[in-house]
Amino acid sequence: GAVVSQHPSWVICKSGTSVKIECRSLDFQATTMFWYRQFPKQSLMLMATSNEGSKATYEQGVEKDKFLINHASLTLSTLTVTSAHPEDSSFYICSARDTAGDYTDTQYFGPGTRLTVL
Amino acid sequence: AQSVTQLDSHVSVSEGTPVLLRCNYSSSYSPSLFWYVQHPNKGLQLLLKYTSAATLVKGINGFEAEFKKSETSFHLTKPSAHMSDAAEYFCVVSDWLTGGGNKLTFGTGTQLKVEL
Repeated sequence: GAVVSQHPSWVICKSGTSVKIECRSLDFQATTMFWYRQFPKQSLMLMATSNEGSKATYEQGVEKDKFLINHASLTLSTLTVTSAHPEDSSFYICSARDTAGDYTDTQYFGPGTRLTVL
Repeated sequence: AQSVTQLDSHVSVSEGTPVLLRCNYSSSYSPSLFWYVQHPNKGLQLLLKYTSAATLVKGINGFEAEFKKSETSFHLTKPSAHMSDAAEYFCVVSDWLTGGGNKLTFGTGTQLKVEL
C-alpha cells in the first residue's frame, strides 16, 4: 500500500517551454501533497505544500508564478515549471500524506522526475 | 525550530559487517522521526518511523533504530550489511504545525557504501 507515482520519470525540454509533472497517490487519498527539489548529492528542499481544492503554500524563496501547483483531486497534484531555464534543471520529487491511515504524518514519496532544460 | 544532523556524510562497511548511521535531532516538542533510503535516481522509501510507542523501532530490510531522548539521537543500525544496502539514507524529523498539518525537516544524508 501507500504507493505514489510520478509522470514523467524524466523529461528534456528547450529553454522557454513549460513542463508539467504529475503526482498520483495510487491506493490512498491524499488531501495534502508536497513538492520537493533535490540537487545532485544534496538533501531534499521543500518547495510547496499542495492542498486539495485550495491554493498551494510555497516556501520562502520559491516563485509561485514559475512553479504552478494544482491539486484538483484527492489523488492528483501537478507541478508546472513555466518558462523553464537551465537553472531549473533538477530532480523533482513529490510526496503524499495518507490522512486516513495510521501514520497521518508519514509522507510517501514518488520515484522522482529528472528535468533537464537545454 | 526543528533540525536534524547526520554526523557522517559517507560511511563505508564490508559486506556482512554491522552498519551504524548516526542522527541527532532538535525539536521543540515530541517529534516523529523517520529514516528514508534513496537509491540512485529513485524516490525515497520509508525504512522505519518512531512515534513514541517504543524506543526501539524495527523497519524493513533488517534495519532498526533506537530513540534516545537523553541523547537526542535516533541512530540507524543493521547487524549485517548487504550489497543492496548501498544507497543514500536520510534522517527526518516531523513536527506538527500550529495551523495544522506537519512539516518534514531532512538531514543532509549519509551515503552508505558496501564493499565486498
